[in-house]
Amino acid sequence: AIRITQSPSSLSASTGDRVTITCRASQGISSYLAWYQQKPGKAPKLLIYAASTLQSGVPSRFSGSGSGTDFTLTISCLQSEDFATYYCQQYYSYPFTFGPGTKVDIK
Amino acid sequence: QVQLVQSGAEVKKPGASVKVSCKVSGYTLTELSMHWVRQAPGKGLEWMGGFDPEDGETIYAQKFQGRVTMTEDTSTDTAYMELSSLRSEDTAVYYCAIPNVFSAFDIWGQGTMVTVSS
Repeated sequence: AIRITQSPSSLSASTGDRVTITCRASQGISSYLAWYQQKPGKAPKLLIYAASTLQSGVPSRFSGSGSGTDFTLTISCLQSEDFATYYCQQYYSYPFTFGPGTKVDIK
Repeated sequence: QVQLVQSGAEVKKPGASVKVSCKVSGYTLTELSMHWVRQAPGKGLEWMGGFDPEDGETIYAQKFQGRVTMTEDTSTDTAYMELSSLRSEDTAVYYCAIPNVFSAFDIWGQGTMVTVSS
């Protein structure tokens, strides 16, 4: 199975900050990577797929980049509603696997 | 617009089975590929399995092989996930999810909490 790591596991930031989360796959997955946001008690929400394509309705302050094994999620100007946990997921091959998550909380 | 509505919370004893349902509206189930993801309390997301339209088969994560069965009732557009031989480590929220054409999960059910406790 493809292993996915994320860093950092958590971060504290302020509204207006630029935030970057990285995701690394144990082998090349081309651009078969998605990013999700999850708030407590809620289902995950798809933010980005195909490594860099913004899901419809997601604010443009979210962006994704990378291919192969290294990927990045950037939030350009953190808003109060962005405090949540973020997961990356590879869908290059079965079993689909998720990263362990990055919790973004208020500094 | 596709919506997924899951069955309610369950409490089961170790060794029992649980069957979670996921009702589709807005589309027919035959047009979709259903997957299941679970999340233990305070933990991350774990893919359990789903339908692979390229092969026409349901793929299960090896961890759950032999214990999980994913089925569909096309007459009611309802998908089911049954997990047997439950143990405390199976306590989790179970989600059904549908991938978009790029295979990323863009539609999720609201989740079903399954508690395994003696």
